[in-house]
Amino acid sequence: EPEVTQTPSHQVTQMGQEVILRCVPISNHLYFYWYRQILGQKVEFLVSFYNNEISEKSEIFDDQFSVERPDGSNFTLKIRSTKLEDSAMYFCASAGVADPTDTQYFGPGTRLTVL
Amino acid sequence: AQSVTQLGSHVSVSEGALVLLRCNYSSSVPPYLFWYVQYPNQGLQLLLKYTSAATLVKGINGFEAEFKKSETSFHLTKPSAHMSDAAEYFCAVSEDLDTDKLIFGTGTRLQVFP
Repeated sequence: EPEVTQTPSHQVTQMGQEVILRCVPISNHLYFYWYRQILGQKVEFLVSFYNNEISEKSEIFDDQFSVERPDGSNFTLKIRSTKLEDSAMYFCASAGVADPTDTQYFGPGTRLTVL
Repeated sequence: AQSVTQLGSHVSVSEGALVLLRCNYSSSVPPYLFWYVQYPNQGLQLLLKYTSAATLVKGINGFEAEFKKSETSFHLTKPSAHMSDAAEYFCAVSEDLDTDKLIFGTGTRLQVFP
């Protein structure tokens, strides 16, 4: 069964450093998402992406964050200058259509630890 | 804005016992509701979803959930727990027709004892 994959599974970085989290969505999907979960808190929507541009973003997704699909398969989340509060589990998801009833398929997550 | 509340961050049951995981939502419009499960070191997997058709929704692995508008609830149940059901369960709602982002609850960790 097709699945969403994410790398790395765990990333440790120093505050102020840039990190890139990588995701490979399901191959025929067109809609891509990033969510994050700070330990003990809710899974929160960050951004949705379609047709090489951001469709929607949350208040969390400020200028320090960016997304791109550089090569038609990978979908990346970049945090330009990490803060301690960016420590969280980051989930990538993809869907075939942008419909609120459609299933979003999630990857296993990348645990980001900012020291 | 819509929100989801999951009562009980941890639920423990014996193998063979009823599983009941609670989810309440707040919404001023009919919501679309989802239950996802996360097994250790894996991604979130859809268990079932409510999209305004039948109020009793059956999902994978013997789980089902009932949409109760009067109670604003979408509780997840399974008649007989299995050891393999041990995982984290997330309830989620999609906000409205203009967006496809999911709003999640805080999750409930289910433990199953032999």
